[in-house]
Amino acid sequence: GIQVEQSPPDLILQEGANSTLRCNFSDSVNNLQWFHQNPWGQLINLFYIPSGTKQNGRLSATTVATERYSLLYISSSQTTDSGVYFCAGSGGSNYKLTFGKGTLLTVNP
Amino acid sequence: EAGVAQSPRYKIIEKRQSVAFWCNPISGHATLYWYQQILGQGPKLLIQFQNNGVVDDSQLPKDRFSAERLKGVDSTLKIQPAKLEDSAVYLCASSPGNQETQYFGPGTRLLVL
Repeated sequence: GIQVEQSPPDLILQEGANSTLRCNFSDSVNNLQWFHQNPWGQLINLFYIPSGTKQNGRLSATTVATERYSLLYISSSQTTDSGVYFCAGSGGSNYKLTFGKGTLLTVNP
Repeated sequence: EAGVAQSPRYKIIEKRQSVAFWCNPISGHATLYWYQQILGQGPKLLIQFQNNGVVDDSQLPKDRFSAERLKGVDSTLKIQPAKLEDSAVYLCASSPGNQETQYFGPGTRLLVL
């Protein structure tokens, strides 16, 4: 299966700041998803984005499949954005999603 | 639309005991997944079902773990006998089909003493 690397591992922001999270993958993907795991452990799907750009409110994501990376942008961060952000991907005939180790985001008031 | 349901939410057992987890996916979702998430790590896929057939179970420790999805709806994951290293959160997810958006349940936190 593919390897997924996320950066940075930790990020601390003041409320209102913007941030960019990065996900690199070792091979071509045909399935790429971003998730947010809140402090209570619930995983919420943010984007299904094997290629291109999508936006949902203050969040947007871009995947450049040819260069094997994806970016998650968070604008005007709020304390409720705190938690762990995971990128997960799969490629070829292997449907299994491989998760990265996550980025722990802390937004301070 | 109801989300993915899991039970129990918490379980504490002693090593060598057995335990079972239950998952009810979103109605109409053909694909169901069981993940194991150890503290500080991303979820790891244990088994993936398409309807009631297994798509991938390459990372399921088959000497102690088993899973079934009868009638292509609900699923159970069993551990027998449990080891200390099985302490983790067990997450169930579902999607309309393969390679589609996955929706996760709240998870079951297992502590093996």
